[in-house]
Amino acid sequence: DAKTTQPPSMDCAEGRAANLPCNHSTISGNEYVYWYRQIHSQGPQYIIHGLKNNETNEMASLIITEDRKSSTLILPHATLRDTAVYYCIVLNAGGTSYGKLTFGQGTILTVHP
Amino acid sequence: DGGITQSPKYLFRKEGQNVTLSCEQNLNHDAMYWYRQDPGQGLRLIYYSQIVNDFQKGDIAEGYSVSREKKESFPLTVTSAQKNPTAFDLCASLGGGSLYNEQFFGPGTRLTVL
Repeated sequence: DAKTTQPPSMDCAEGRAANLPCNHSTISGNEYVYWYRQIHSQGPQYIIHGLKNNETNEMASLIITEDRKSSTLILPHATLRDTAVYYCIVLNAGGTSYGKLTFGQGTILTVHP
Repeated sequence: DGGITQSPKYLFRKEGQNVTLSCEQNLNHDAMYWYRQDPGQGLRLIYYSQIVNDFQKGDIAEGYSVSREKKESFPLTVTSAQKNPTAFDLCASLGGGSLYNEQFFGPGTRLTVL
């Protein structure tokens, strides 16, 4: 699976949009981009995933660049409960990986009042 | 409510002791996973199971063993060969017939070696 690069930490004011970047310049054509988050001392929580089109669900939006080398997770109206570590993961679920998620260091997002 | 449960939440292990962590899911998922998270790090795969009576080693399987006798259950045994002093062990499951579906995680077990 392709490696990802994320900033180690970011801050955001409550009520504002949080834009979390991820670089995955070595991504291949059949690899998806996933975002999970982990609130302190809890299990990770799935947020969203996509292949090449932008995606939106009730939690967030995922914007993938046309060349697919980077993406941005957008939390439209951040709340204090969105404070967590956010992981960007590239996944090729086929072959021997069988859906294994490879978590890096992620981005610590802190939402301030 | 459907989900994944893990027990215990905290576990203390003496050196030389084997312990077993429980993972149960009622999501009717075929695939289940065990990950370990060391302090300040991301998750790494210990073992995974695609279906009942089948399981495969992940990236850090040394010192661990698993079984998958029932679809709902995927217990992890940490043996005395596992030297890591402390870790957060997380169980996950995947269903819906596609490897690209979301994985659901349990609340985790925090394991400490005394």
